[in-house]
Amino acid sequence: GAVVSQHPSRVICKSGTSVKIECRSLDFQATTMFWYRQFPKQSLMLMATSNEGSKATYEQGVEKDKFLINHASLTLSTLTVTSAHPEDSSFYICSADGTSGGINEQFFGPGTRLTVL
Amino acid sequence: KQEVTQIPAALSVPEGENLVLNCSFTDSAIYNLQWFRQDPGKGLTSLLLIQSSQREQTSGRLNASLDKSSGRSTLYIAASQPGDSATYLCAVPYSSASKIIFGSGTRLSIRP
Repeated sequence: GAVVSQHPSRVICKSGTSVKIECRSLDFQATTMFWYRQFPKQSLMLMATSNEGSKATYEQGVEKDKFLINHASLTLSTLTVTSAHPEDSSFYICSADGTSGGINEQFFGPGTRLTVL
Repeated sequence: KQEVTQIPAALSVPEGENLVLNCSFTDSAIYNLQWFRQDPGKGLTSLLLIQSSQREQTSGRLNASLDKSSGRSTLYIAASQPGDSATYLCAVPYSSASKIIFGSGTRLSIRP
């Protein structure tokens, strides 16, 4: 149980295009999902908190108009990188708030590697 | 502001050795602490989660301890194997539905 999927796992796009990444909780409902970004040889940095039915909360320094987040259902959050540029190339990982063995825990997706040419 | 630090940044040991990875955090008001493993180019694998009321958790050759008062956690790996080579991350959330703050990780290499 408590599986989170991401799609696509890898995407290559041209500079200036938009890319949508999906994060799904497969066997549980998640009111809250989180989006992280990881640059090479660095740790994960939280970009935003996605709440079902409301606007996302962005961390300082993250452009909300560039990284559009939609959490329209309890099992799906999407991250759209608009007008992508090479500096947006990174590993994007989502997580979903769930419960395992009665304990609240965040469950992580496998990540999406974005390469912008 | 919570800060999470992991020492060492990199570690290389011969196969079979026991080793300890360290994690420290500045704010002791944590809900739990979690250790993850990340293989190159891959996502996260959860290894152990210690609740704030617990002192340690064990899974196979792994043992994680938590000392909230001193702001420290250790991950002990017994009888290391080449397959243990990966980056190990510790992470703390403030609450059950709050952001997780990750340490910078320890890159572990086990030499055959």
